Amino acid sequence: DTEVTQTPKHLVMGMTNKKSLKCEQHMGHRAMYWYKQKAKKPPELMFVYSYEKLSINESVPSRFSPECPNSSLLNLHLHALQPEDSALYLCASSQDRTGLPQHFGDGTRLSIL
Amino acid sequence: KQEVTQIPAALSVPEGENLVLNCSFTDSAIYNLQWFRQDPGKGLTSLLLIQSSQREQTSGRLNASLDKSSGRSTLYIAASQPGDSATYLCAVTGNTGKLIFGQGTTLQVKP
Repeated sequence: DTEVTQTPKHLVMGMTNKKSLKCEQHMGHRAMYWYKQKAKKPPELMFVYSYEKLSINESVPSRFSPECPNSSLLNLHLHALQPEDSALYLCASSQDRTGLPQHFGDGTRLSIL
Repeated sequence: KQEVTQIPAALSVPEGENLVLNCSFTDSAIYNLQWFRQDPGKGLTSLLLIQSSQREQTSGRLNASLDKSSGRSTLYIAASQPGDSATYLCAVTGNTGKLIFGQGTTLQVKP
């Protein structure tokens, strides 16, 4: 069982819907990450939070909005997504931003109709 | 800009073989290198992490080496088993904490 829990495991939504992906860890890690992974490609970093503050945004479109309510939780709010946003969204955490090592969740499989 | 390359892209071997997966990176100024395993539709499982000051790490049948000066790492899998079939990803971390991934090697171990 992974120590990083992501919900839901699968999500199908229309382009006009608003939904949120959730990630939770209880390892006391202070850095949390969102990655996007397309089929047969490596994960691509989207956002990094360090001590609940956004430290890296990899020029992600504003239809993706991250939120870190506390040190254990990370959300990704979705609005007006496009079909090309269909992918596996992975959350990860690490002790701090030097990233030693990063622990990944099993991801949310997102499909945009 | 850091680039990570993994060779081969795919590998098929009979059960019991020892095998080596290769990873190279263009900028030697890394903090660490991490090998991951990914099963289809699943997240990444960390296998081994090598700090920049280390030369190798071992866990069970897995051994990873790091030659920072030449920008290379290898993952050695001894006595491969069908359960080892997965995609193996190598990733390096620099001073930003960002993981830079290679494209992965997809391994199939045939019974």
